[in-house]
Amino acid sequence: AQSVAQPEDQVNVAEGNPLTVKCTYSVSGNPYLFWYVQYPNRGLQFLLKYITGDNLVKGSYGFEAEFNKSQTSFHLKKPSALVSDSALYFCAVRDSGNTPLVFGKGTRLSVIA
Amino acid sequence: DTEVTQTPKHLVMGMTNKKSLKCEQHMGHRAMYWYKQKAKKPPELMFVYSYEKLSINESVPSRFSPECPNSSLLNLHLHALQPEDSALYLCASSRDSSGGANEQFFGPGTRLTVL
Repeated sequence: AQSVAQPEDQVNVAEGNPLTVKCTYSVSGNPYLFWYVQYPNRGLQFLLKYITGDNLVKGSYGFEAEFNKSQTSFHLKKPSALVSDSALYFCAVRDSGNTPLVFGKGTRLSVIA
Repeated sequence: DTEVTQTPKHLVMGMTNKKSLKCEQHMGHRAMYWYKQKAKKPPELMFVYSYEKLSINESVPSRFSPECPNSSLLNLHLHALQPEDSALYLCASSRDSSGGANEQFFGPGTRLTVL
């Protein structure tokens, strides 16, 4: 069975500082990993995904994520946070078969000016 | 067009009403999904349509009835709902449902309140 853990309910960071939102996963085969962001009263927006290849994945709005197979992690990062990055972030995983996407519980990011 | 649209944005209904949620995409995607999301929680998968056929039903109560009239449209028919069904209902689409690497594109959701 697939699972995703986002260990932090809330992450606070000052504007201009680097941010990290953590995600660890468990799948039986090769993972496909995704990050989505959700602003209040909106749907989820796709940020980036890891399929295979380079462990550092670059996505929308300056976000990137690092796939670490030995630590089964896929942490989301940004070098310099903006107040407008404040939102709810979801990590998700599925394996290479025909299985549904499994979401983590979400991490609320708050960037303080 | 890289957008998934959903109507209505908001819906208030009584427990005896019948209503429908609508979802549309014009990206040529062959998989479409319904999710239910409670406040501050992750989306919960309800249904998956693949090539206009229902492929996954996550044990959803029969008061929710999905329909896929064609490859661009997805409906969710609601009847005799309970107050606990109040939530944000999200529609999503992806190129297909079998490729694990295909990201899903989400609509803005319908905020449903059941009185």
